[in-house]
Amino acid sequence: DAGITQSPRHKVTETGTPVTLRCHQTENHRYMYWYRQDPGHGLRLIHYSYGVKDTDKGEVSDGYSVSRSKTEDFLLTLESATSSQTSVYFCAISGQEPTEAFFGQGTRLTVV
Amino acid sequence: GIQVEQSPPDLILQEGANSTLRCNFSDSVNNLQWFHQNPWGQLINLFYIPSGTKQNGRLSATTVATERYSLLYISSSQTTDSGVYFCAGKGQTGANNLFFGTGTRLTVIP
Repeated sequence: DAGITQSPRHKVTETGTPVTLRCHQTENHRYMYWYRQDPGHGLRLIHYSYGVKDTDKGEVSDGYSVSRSKTEDFLLTLESATSSQTSVYFCAISGQEPTEAFFGQGTRLTVV
Repeated sequence: GIQVEQSPPDLILQEGANSTLRCNFSDSVNNLQWFHQNPWGQLINLFYIPSGTKQNGRLSATTVATERYSLLYISSSQTTDSGVYFCAGKGQTGANNLFFGTGTRLTVIP
């Protein structure tokens, strides 16, 4: 199994509070990604990183920010959580070549 | 972005039956992958198959990149095959991320 750890695995938070999800890898892969999974939508990209301090937006980035200060850690922050951000969040990593992606176990976030 | 269509959306099989799942892409993709999401939500890599055919036990996959589709074959299905199967691919330009289909939900009954 690829060495990817997401924390926390489950979280319930209140509307308007900030939330940070962490993804930690031990594979030294260049690329890291945050996806969200919602019924009827499959997985959609929120943000991704192509190196330390190098990040870019995905298709559903509104309301989210990310940071990558070390190769092994990629943080996803919800500045002010809303109920529409209730979802399952997956972190993924991939190398330079081949670029096969591997996923973490997911974080179930509920915003009440 | 790339549009990914998976069919069928739902499939119910008797244990021991065979099945074929299909994935169509709206544009050329690289790095096509198939995943199985088990009932606990974990995404398991099945195949990394940009082109050609690969086999792993009872599962095999074929990608015809020039025609923008991929097939996943499951033979002699078992109850442990139940879950959702996703295909995903990366566009040939732009961001280095996967575009996912909405999945095929497979239920294998004993």
